[in-house]
Amino acid sequence: GAVVSQHPSWVICKSGTSVKIECRSLDFQATTMFWYRQFPKQSLMLMATSNEGSKATYEQGVEKDKFLINHASLTLSTLTVTSAHPEDSSFYICSALGGGGHTDTQYFGPGTRLTVL
Amino acid sequence: EDQVTQSPEALRLQEGESSSLNCSYTVSGLRGLFWYRQDPGKGPEFLFTLYSAGEEKEKERLKATLTKKESFLHITAPKPEDSATYLCAPVAGSARQLTFGSGTQLTVLP
Repeated sequence: GAVVSQHPSWVICKSGTSVKIECRSLDFQATTMFWYRQFPKQSLMLMATSNEGSKATYEQGVEKDKFLINHASLTLSTLTVTSAHPEDSSFYICSALGGGGHTDTQYFGPGTRLTVL
Repeated sequence: EDQVTQSPEALRLQEGESSSLNCSYTVSGLRGLFWYRQDPGKGPEFLFTLYSAGEEKEKERLKATLTKKESFLHITAPKPEDSATYLCAPVAGSARQLTFGSGTQLTVLP
């Protein structure tokens, strides 16, 4: 148990377009999901905390109007990068809290590689 | 302010050569310390959670231990497939967010 998927696994887009990334908990319900970004050779940086049915909580320095998060159900959270620019190119990873009966453990998706041209 | 430091940054071992990775933390009211393994281009894979000083957990060739100031990940007789970046993340109080250390990149040579 405790499987998290992300879609797409990679995406290339033109500058100025918007990109949506989906994060799904496949075999458990997750009231809380998290979104991270990771630059090459660096550790994961938390972007926001997503709670089902309520607004996401963004970390300091993360533009909420640029990174739109929707947690519409107990198994799905989406991250939309609006008006993407080359500096938004990164590896985006989501996690879901509480799989496998472990209420305090985050289980991570495989990540989405975003390249903005 | 909560701080997490992992050492060494990189470690190269010969197959079968045991060693330890360190995670030092400064966290008020530690609720748990998490260890993950991350392969290149993939999301982190959960390994262990430790909750109190003196606790130990094992999984195959890995054993994690916890004191009040640091955690160790001991790797016994590693194999090339153990090559990965190992990340630790303490969690304080009622928080749910993970604050990751910078990781230790482990390479096990055949």
